Amino acid sequence: QKEVEQDPGPLSVPEGAIVSLNCTYSNSAFQYFMWYRQYSRKGPELLMYTYSSGNKEDGRFTAQVDKSSKYISLFIRDSQPSDSATYLCAMSAGGFKTIFGAGTRLFVKA
Amino acid sequence: GAVVSQHPSWVICKSGTSVKIECRSLDFQATTMFWYRQFPKQSLMLMATSNEGSKATYEQGVEKDKFLINHASLTLSTLTVTSAHPEDSSFYICSAREPGGRLNEQFFGPGTRLTVL
Repeated sequence: QKEVEQDPGPLSVPEGAIVSLNCTYSNSAFQYFMWYRQYSRKGPELLMYTYSSGNKEDGRFTAQVDKSSKYISLFIRDSQPSDSATYLCAMSAGGFKTIFGAGTRLFVKA
Repeated sequence: GAVVSQHPSWVICKSGTSVKIECRSLDFQATTMFWYRQFPKQSLMLMATSNEGSKATYEQGVEKDKFLINHASLTLSTLTVTSAHPEDSSFYICSAREPGGRLNEQFFGPGTRLTVL
């Protein structure tokens, strides 16, 4: 079993839709949870950074962490074609090592 | 946020040759940099952690004699793929931590696509 599971998609939605992206994990020691966005042939860029459980909102993006279920989510409201990218969840127990999910490819159709 | 650059952005080489990839932190000093490899439609796989002035720490299964890492200064780390073979073709991405930044927050370079013929 992988430490982090993420559905690779692709996920296709119409412009304006609410997008829900999810990851599950098995290591209960994970405390830091991140979401990265990666455009084709580019490096990942950090979208959301959360510590422990709870919600965090930044503009159209909301990150949720449920440590009891070992489940994290990223919601994108009012999705735009420019949101089309691969979204990677990432998590860490502390220290430097970060484990990444496989990434979900998202397509937002105009 | 902090900016990390990589050079070259892409390279094509013949089998058996060596290729050097540079990773630079442009507006901060990075004591720790990371090297990842990413195959198509797959996630980032950490290859090694590069510490300025000391030997890199390689992940299990990564050949340190094949993937040479040098972190000679606080703004530059290099990855040299020695005697490259077609199976080494991949997207190589570096990242760096900003001193005093949030734990585990990494800033990624734009990546280098290596194709070995």
